[in-house]
Amino acid sequence: SQQGEEDPQALSIQEGENATMNCSYKTSINNLQWYRQNSGRGLVHLILIRSNEREKHSGRLRVTLDTSKKSSSLLITASRAADTASYFCATGGLGAGSYQLTFGKGTKLSVIP
Amino acid sequence: EAGVTQSPTHLIKTRGQQATLRCSPISGHTSVYWYQQALGLGLQFLLWYDEGEERNRGNFPPRFSGRQFPNYSSELNVNALELEDSALYLCASSWATSGRSDEQFFGPGTRLTVL
Repeated sequence: SQQGEEDPQALSIQEGENATMNCSYKTSINNLQWYRQNSGRGLVHLILIRSNEREKHSGRLRVTLDTSKKSSSLLITASRAADTASYFCATGGLGAGSYQLTFGKGTKLSVIP
Repeated sequence: EAGVTQSPTHLIKTRGQQATLRCSPISGHTSVYWYQQALGLGLQFLLWYDEGEERNRGNFPPRFSGRQFPNYSSELNVNALELEDSALYLCASSWATSGRSDEQFFGPGTRLTVL
């Protein structure tokens, strides 16, 4: 079953604008990871943020985590046409035997040149 | 460094047949995970192997099974194929569980079509 939801389901922006995607989840987590998927192919790992971290940066990506609200956001700054893809958040569980990821439904991002 | 590889890229089977999908993890990774991405159902966890043992399985029937070999590569077998098994099957690998979950790196997937 899905852990949570991404919001919005679809987002269309102009090249150069910033894109913000949100993710909510239901249970306590060890970490939260963001992935990108192009055209139904494999997932590309973007960033991992642990439950004791609040913010993390990687290049044009900024991820925040609020464990009290069970939510995370992914910000892509200065978007490019090549950023067009589906973005998924996934949570890693606590405790042995729960390291598999539970995925949200994804946000489909379209960046218009 | 080579990433996670999967074979075949595409697989077409008919109902009732068996399918075998293969995955080679990143060198040094001992954990292999299998996920199913079916249209309308999102990404669902199937199976997790570590050090040759099945550590956990998702909510799938027993006809979904697999194994992990001594070199940490893995095989997913789907018996008695049904139309709804048509999906993209993704394999991921990560470092040995060190008391916490870590980044999982995915392969390009195998597209299974059941006719």
